[in-house]
Amino acid sequence: EAGVAQSPRYKIIEKRQSVAFWCNPISGHATLYWYQQILGQGPKLLIQFQNNGVVDDSQLPKDRFSAERLKGVDSTLKIQPAKLEDSAVYLCASSSSSDRGRGGYTFGSGTRLTVV
Amino acid sequence: AQSVTQLDSQVPVFEEAPVELRCNYSSSVSVYLFWYVQYPNQGLQLLLKYLSGSTLVKGINGFEAEFNKSQTSFHLRKPSVHISDTAEYFCAVSDSGQGGKLIFGQGTELSVKP
Repeated sequence: EAGVAQSPRYKIIEKRQSVAFWCNPISGHATLYWYQQILGQGPKLLIQFQNNGVVDDSQLPKDRFSAERLKGVDSTLKIQPAKLEDSAVYLCASSSSSDRGRGGYTFGSGTRLTVV
Repeated sequence: AQSVTQLDSQVPVFEEAPVELRCNYSSSVSVYLFWYVQYPNQGLQLLLKYLSGSTLVKGINGFEAEFNKSQTSFHLRKPSVHISDTAEYFCAVSDSGQGGKLIFGQGTELSVKP
């Protein structure tokens, strides 16, 4: 089966600019996650979707970050305006509802964002 | 709240030597435990997971881990490492009651030297 697709792979922007990342999960996976991985740290959950509804966005900096999954399939994560500390790899993952919590996650290759 | 602590940020080891990467977790409820590997510029790949049953879990690439509830640990081991095992390793925990999100440790960089 095809994996989780993410684009772009790399992005360099200046601070205060905006940027968007795209994720297409595995077909049929109802749960989609966005994680932020800062260099030297483990990934941190930003937002979790179940179909097109938000399950957990407690760690999403809502003043600058937004995410949507309008049709319950692919998802977009946006940052506006970006700060230097947003430099990180943004990972998307998906899982089926039955696997949720049991580790049936598939991760994409990530988008590496550099804010200068 | 759940948390994960990986006790070593870097582990250098010679090829064909055994290795242990240590992980401790904190949780007030039953958890599922995982080890992921991340090669440079790639996403995370699941090595193994503990859900229930036998406390010794075998994964891919010859890795295994042992769940120790009394010590709240889930250490990863391999009896003989290869150069190709050089990567970042992450321990993670999830609680199905919280929607299945993963809480990751800080990572351990395994460097295998010839």
